[in-house]
Amino acid sequence: ELKVEQNPLFLSMQEGKNYTIYCNYSTTSDRLYWYRQDPGKSLESLFVLLSNGAVKQEGRLMASLDTKARLSTLHITAAVHDLSATYFCAVDRRRSSMEYGNKLVFGAGTILRVKS
Amino acid sequence: NAGVTQTPKFRILKIGQSMTLQCTQDMNHNYMYWYRQDPGMGLKLIYYSVGAGITDKGEVPNGYNVSRSTTEDFPLRLELAAPSQTSVYFCASSPTLFHTQYFGPGTRLTVL
Repeated sequence: ELKVEQNPLFLSMQEGKNYTIYCNYSTTSDRLYWYRQDPGKSLESLFVLLSNGAVKQEGRLMASLDTKARLSTLHITAAVHDLSATYFCAVDRRRSSMEYGNKLVFGAGTILRVKS
Repeated sequence: NAGVTQTPKFRILKIGQSMTLQCTQDMNHNYMYWYRQDPGMGLKLIYYSVGAGITDKGEVPNGYNVSRSTTEDFPLRLELAAPSQTSVYFCASSPTLFHTQYFGPGTRLTVL
């Protein structure tokens, strides 16, 4: 059974600082997604990582995927208050190409609070 | 495009009642999904569909049913509501297997 663990679960950081959120998963997969959720809102797609070594960047956020280590990281550079949200990673648990559908298993989320 | 829309936004049910959560997308996506999100947790997949007439179970299907008669609509049916089904329900769609999923605004359901 695929398990997805994020850490930390809560992160309070100062504006201007850098930090990394980690997403570990338990079984082989080379498809990982990052989403952002603001309080009381829906999920917004941030990154799609579809192969080992994939790196994507958007503004102050950069995501990477190491399928051998079963690890993805979301790096925050020079945090600003607007980045305060909950960040989820999700891993596709399809076990073979014979399975259809994109069956995502989500981590519990990392609540990020950026303080000025 | 309106994207993915869900109705209702909020609903309170009594134990044993039934209801249907509606989900519609106007992006002509083949893949559609239903998730539930419990407080402080990630999302769990309830059911998904890869096209009209084709549905399958996700991680937590018990107590729910779905149908997909058109590309646009993917309703989720709760039969005999239980307090354990109190949650926020999100519908999502995607155009291809590896594309990101686009989420609707959610339905907050309380079962008392």
